[in-house]
Amino acid sequence: GQNIDQPTEMTATEGAIVQINCTYQTSGFNGLFWYQQHAGEAPTFLSYNVLDGLEEKGRFSSFLSRSKGYSYLLLKELQMKDSASYLCAVRDSNYQLIWGAGTKLIIKP
Amino acid sequence: GAVVSQHPSRVICKSGTSVKIECRSLDFQATTMFWYRQFPKQSLMLMATSNEGSKATYEQGVEKDKFLINHASLTLSTLTVTSAHPEDSSFYICSARDPETGDTGELFFGEGSRLTVL
Repeated sequence: GQNIDQPTEMTATEGAIVQINCTYQTSGFNGLFWYQQHAGEAPTFLSYNVLDGLEEKGRFSSFLSRSKGYSYLLLKELQMKDSASYLCAVRDSNYQLIWGAGTKLIIKP
Repeated sequence: GAVVSQHPSRVICKSGTSVKIECRSLDFQATTMFWYRQFPKQSLMLMATSNEGSKATYEQGVEKDKFLINHASLTLSTLTVTSAHPEDSSFYICSARDPETGDTGELFFGEGSRLTVL
């Protein structure tokens, strides 16, 4: 079956750096997405990786290793507003999105 | 980025009634829209793919007669929860892709609709 694994919850300190990992087993691979979802709101797009390596976008970076079925989202200079759930999603060979359950990130002052 | 608007954001209804949720793409045309359901602390679950001018494609386990989807135009898809029951209480989210955003195929989500069935 298809599976996306990411930690349920993480805690970090304001101003610090946090890395949220995602591992996947899917039938085929056509890209990996990270979305941010604040409580009670819809997800918003953060990043997209289809080739191995690091994609940097401001304070957020996303890394992909297709051979390892692994990605991480790196958040730098954490702010209180970064408290949210972070969803990892993989697009499989049928171009269907397979979603992880999300990682709830708690930022403490 | 592209904007998807969803209405209503919250709805409370009595058991047995029907509820309609609208999803609009405001600045682009969406031939395909996706309807998701999300229970608390759980992942997004795709319910169905809505295709403009044709029947929706439902995921396994989703009752098409209970969750009626209509995609009558390139900017509007509706989800009607018929004869709602308390177990249908959930967060319903629609999404669409903007063909102009390139190859990433990122989804743009509506604000979501929280349904509470009493």
